[in-house]
Amino acid sequence: DIQMTQSPSTLSASVGDRVTITCRASQSIDNWLAWYQQKPGKAPKVLIYKAATLESGVPSRFSGSGSGPEFTLTISSLQPDDFATYYCQQYDSSPYTFGQGTKLEIK
Amino acid sequence: QVQLVESGGGVVQPGRSLRLSCAASGFSFSNYGMHWARQAPGKGLEWVAVISFDGNKKYYADSVKGRFTISRDNSMNTLYLQMDSLRGEDTAMYFCASSAVEFLTGSYLGYWGQGALVTVSS
Repeated sequence: DIQMTQSPSTLSASVGDRVTITCRASQSIDNWLAWYQQKPGKAPKVLIYKAATLESGVPSRFSGSGSGPEFTLTISSLQPDDFATYYCQQYDSSPYTFGQGTKLEIK
Repeated sequence: QVQLVESGGGVVQPGRSLRLSCAASGFSFSNYGMHWARQAPGKGLEWVAVISFDGNKKYYADSVKGRFTISRDNSMNTLYLQMDSLRGEDTAMYFCASSAVEFLTGSYLGYWGQGALVTVSS
């Protein structure tokens, strides 16, 4: 099975900061990687797919990059609505594993 | 608009069974692979299972293989998860979600339901 390792687990930042979250795959997944945002008590919402493609309706301050095995999610200028937990997921092969999550907190 | 509504959650004793349902509307359900994912209280997301658009292919996480069965009824626009031999570690919020790409089983998850809580406890 492919393991997805996300870092950091927690990130403290301020409004306006640029932040980066990293996800590393244990084997090749080409670019079959998605990023999700989840807020407390809510279902996850997809932000990025195929490593770098922005989902429709997602603000352009979110961007994804990288290719196997390391990928990054960058938020260029944090907004108050962005404080949430972020997950990567590989969908190259079953089981379609998630990373363990990164909680983005207000500093 | 797209809606996925889970039902069937509740409290169940270890070793017993439970069946979750996910009613879909607002999209061509029979064209999309469907997934279950779960989230234990205070923990991260765990992918559980997927079924192809036509029901012919099914894949499971190792943690549920042999105990859980995913199925679908395209005439009823409904996805199911039969959970047998439940354990304490199966306690979680269970989400159904659609593949984002038509006819593809291996796809990122586009639409999600709000979840059904399953608690396994004696």
